[in-house]
Amino acid sequence: EIVMTQSPATLSVSPGERATLSCRASQSVSSNLAWYQQKPGQAPRLLIYGASTRATGIPARFSGSGSGTEFTLTISSLQSEDFAVYYCQQYNNWPPLFTFGPGTKVDIK
Amino acid sequence: QLQLQESGPGLVKPSETLSLTCTVSGGSISSSSYYWGWIRQPPGKGLEWIGSIYYSGSTYYNPSLKSRVTISVDTSKNQFSLKLSSVTAADTAVYYCARIITMIDAFDIWGQGTMVTVSS
Repeated sequence: EIVMTQSPATLSVSPGERATLSCRASQSVSSNLAWYQQKPGQAPRLLIYGASTRATGIPARFSGSGSGTEFTLTISSLQSEDFAVYYCQQYNNWPPLFTFGPGTKVDIK
Repeated sequence: QLQLQESGPGLVKPSETLSLTCTVSGGSISSSSYYWGWIRQPPGKGLEWIGSIYYSGSTYYNPSLKSRVTISVDTSKNQFSLKLSSVTAADTAVYYCARIITMIDAFDIWGQGTMVTVSS
């Protein structure tokens, strides 16, 4: 079973600053990694898939990188609407299973 | 525009079976480009994948829940369903249904979620 970890658990950032979120897999997931944003009372929203491809409609300030076991989500200049919880999710080809990380909360400094 | 809507009881008694349905509107559930999944989120906690289903009926489940979960699809109604048996308070959560894009294996469209409480 692949275990996903995320760090830090909470990230305090000022608006306009850069935020860097990390996600680690217990074994290689190649580039089968997605990132989601979730705001209180809302369903998650897909931000990044394939480790680095932005989903439709996602602003360019969101970028993803990494492969294998280490991944990063970067928000280049935080806007007020970006304060939320971010989850990474891996997909295992066989058996076809999904695992989410525990999340990183980005809050206002 | 494709939309997903969960429906079902908001309160289930311990040891009973939780049953939810996801209705897909604005598009067909019978497309090889997509498959469908259930995810849950206990209050104040993270996301947990429950299982996935293809329109053909092939299913894949989270190993930790596999013995209690059944996911099925009804293409004539454009719906897929979740049954979780022998529920306990630990199954109290918001349950989401979602679409998965086959090529990228990511959840791109989600329902709004439905809160299910397990309590006597």
